Amino acid sequence: AQTVTQSQPEMSVQEAETVTLSCTYDTSESDYYLFWYKQPPSRQMILVIRQEAYKQQNATENRFSVNFQKAAKSFSLKISDSQLGDAAMYFCAPEDGGSQGNLIFGKGTKLSVKP
Amino acid sequence: DAGVIQSPRHEVTEMGQEVTLRCKPISGHDYLFWYRQTMMRGLELLIYFNNNVPIDDSGMPEDRFSAKMPNASFSTLKIQPSEPRDSAVYFCASSLGIEQFFGPGTRLTVL
Repeated sequence: AQTVTQSQPEMSVQEAETVTLSCTYDTSESDYYLFWYKQPPSRQMILVIRQEAYKQQNATENRFSVNFQKAAKSFSLKISDSQLGDAAMYFCAPEDGGSQGNLIFGKGTKLSVKP
Repeated sequence: DAGVIQSPRHEVTEMGQEVTLRCKPISGHDYLFWYRQTMMRGLELLIYFNNNVPIDDSGMPEDRFSAKMPNASFSTLKIQPSEPRDSAVYFCASSLGIEQFFGPGTRLTVL
């Protein structure tokens, strides 16, 4: 079965600073999607950003960007100019290569933002 | 668009009772997923459907759990009989085969 590893159970960042959340995964596929989801205390799962594996350019959405290293199977999320509202659980979720439409979720990283 | 709709938002029941959770996916989406989230086990996929057909139910814990999707706009997850260890937040999500859009979840407490 495909595995996803988020090695940082908890992270902390000062408001306005930059933080990077790491994620590594295992897949035998060559073309797939990867996602980062955010779950604030409200518990709503919110899509943050997506990356297509065949695209070399790293995805960017406003203050959120990824560092996608396909050969290393690494997919980190960078949050710039951190805001208090960024405090949440962040889940890395690559597509399950053996099961179209399905995603494999990591255990999550809890991000705290200090004012 | 209303997004994925789940009901109820909260459910408290006693051990042994039947519990039914409901989900309305985003119109036009052809994939529907049921997840369970607990502190201990994180987010677990229970079952998912494509075009109303169950594709993978290997995550369903045991025979007490069943899920149906009678049409493209409605799905249920039933637990019978419920047990205290079933207490969790249950999410429904839908997609067109790429990113998934989640409902607000149902917090289930089994006493």
